[in-house]
Amino acid sequence: EAGVAQSPRYKIIEKRQSVAFWCNPISGHATLYWYQQILGQGPKLLIQFQNNGVVDDSQLPKDRFSAERLKGVDSTLKIQPAKLEDSAVYLCASSHRLTAVPTEAFFGQGTRLTVV
Amino acid sequence: AQSVAQPEDQVNVAEGNPLTVKCTYSVSGNPYLFWYVQYPNRGLQFLLKYITGDNLVKGSYGFEAEFNKSQTSFHLKKPSALVSDSALYFCAVRGSSGNTGKLIFGQGTTLQVKP
Repeated sequence: EAGVAQSPRYKIIEKRQSVAFWCNPISGHATLYWYQQILGQGPKLLIQFQNNGVVDDSQLPKDRFSAERLKGVDSTLKIQPAKLEDSAVYLCASSHRLTAVPTEAFFGQGTRLTVV
Repeated sequence: AQSVAQPEDQVNVAEGNPLTVKCTYSVSGNPYLFWYVQYPNRGLQFLLKYITGDNLVKGSYGFEAEFNKSQTSFHLKKPSALVSDSALYFCAVRGSSGNTGKLIFGQGTTLQVKP
């Protein structure tokens, strides 16, 4: 089974510029997550989709971050404008679907963003 | 509020020795607990999970974890460490009441296995 695909792997931008990340989840996985992992910290959930609907975006800085999941499959995460503190690894993950008994999430390799 | 604590930033063990990476949690309701491993420049890789049942959970690569409800702990263990086990390990929790499946991660513990 193919894993979660993310692109690009690395991105360097100047502050105030915009950037977008792409994620293709495992086929058939209804739930998709975007996590932010700052160096030295554990991943923090930014947004969670169930199919193409948002389930949780409580920690998404909505003044600069946006995300969408087209047709319940691929997803893009955008930052506009970027700040220095957005430098982090952005991880996409997917799981089968939300159930009372949780299944594990499968993670992509991540996109390392450096804002200079 | 849900939270996870990994009290050790780094654990050092010699190859062949047993290893333990500690994790404690706080959730409302029954906890669902996970361990993930992250190798350099890689995404997180699922190791094992506790949902219900036997307190000792076995996972990938010879790892196991013991759920202790009274101590609210879920320590990761391996009887004999390998140099290739050196990586960053994350404990995560999801509570069973009123949640949307969101995993809360600890800050991570770096495991260093020396030959």
